[in-house]
Amino acid sequence: QSVLTQPPSASGTPGQRVTISCSGSSSNIETNTVNWYQQLPGTAPKLLVYGNDQRPSGVPDRFSGSKSGTSASLSISGLQSEDEADYYCAAWDDSLNGRSVFGGGTKLTVL
Amino acid sequence: EVQLVQSGAEVKKPGESLRISCKGSGYIFSNYWITWVRQMPGKGLEWMGRIDPSDSYTKYSPSFQGHVTFSVDKSSSIAYLQWSSLKPSDTAMYYCATTYPYRSGSFGFWGQGTLVIVSS
Repeated sequence: QSVLTQPPSASGTPGQRVTISCSGSSSNIETNTVNWYQQLPGTAPKLLVYGNDQRPSGVPDRFSGSKSGTSASLSISGLQSEDEADYYCAAWDDSLNGRSVFGGGTKLTVL
Repeated sequence: EVQLVQSGAEVKKPGESLRISCKGSGYIFSNYWITWVRQMPGKGLEWMGRIDPSDSYTKYSPSFQGHVTFSVDKSSSIAYLQWSSLKPSDTAMYYCATTYPYRSGSFGFWGQGTLVIVSS
């Protein structure tokens, strides 16, 4: 059972906009920044969004992050076949003397 | 170019010890924490903890405290993850990651992963 809750799956057709949610609590998302990672099949995770809504250099502006209260979301516009991957949200959690926590991951399928 | 290069796959027996490595290059290794992340077969990412290469200060996830040990050789820019007695449940892919460059708790660069298989 992950501390951050994500839907296990999401899907969309090429060109569509897809949004993945990440639900947390007052000890993590509400008080700390949220980061998102993309894991393509068989590869290491890659930082996609940091600080709630900032994109590292090289990440297309099709990817955007937002946060409100105890929830965050990742939106992907103009969906492409190469976006098919697992997506994870992550944040610092102030409970248990502090720890970093991940969501359970969302498998995005491009139909 | 920033890189974290991890040691190769390992196959071990239960009860054996193991140390895997993660070598950083292309940035000031000692200025950014190294985090270790476990991914069990077909499962999600789990934060194991982190080490500050500048002073070897460690913070472990409660789930891993007492079962693994982090260490670092600052002079060689290498971080290590060590087990003294492996269990079959340690079978997983292990990733190291650095908080370079953004900090903010984000892991900007990742190693390619080290697969550890523990089986009798």
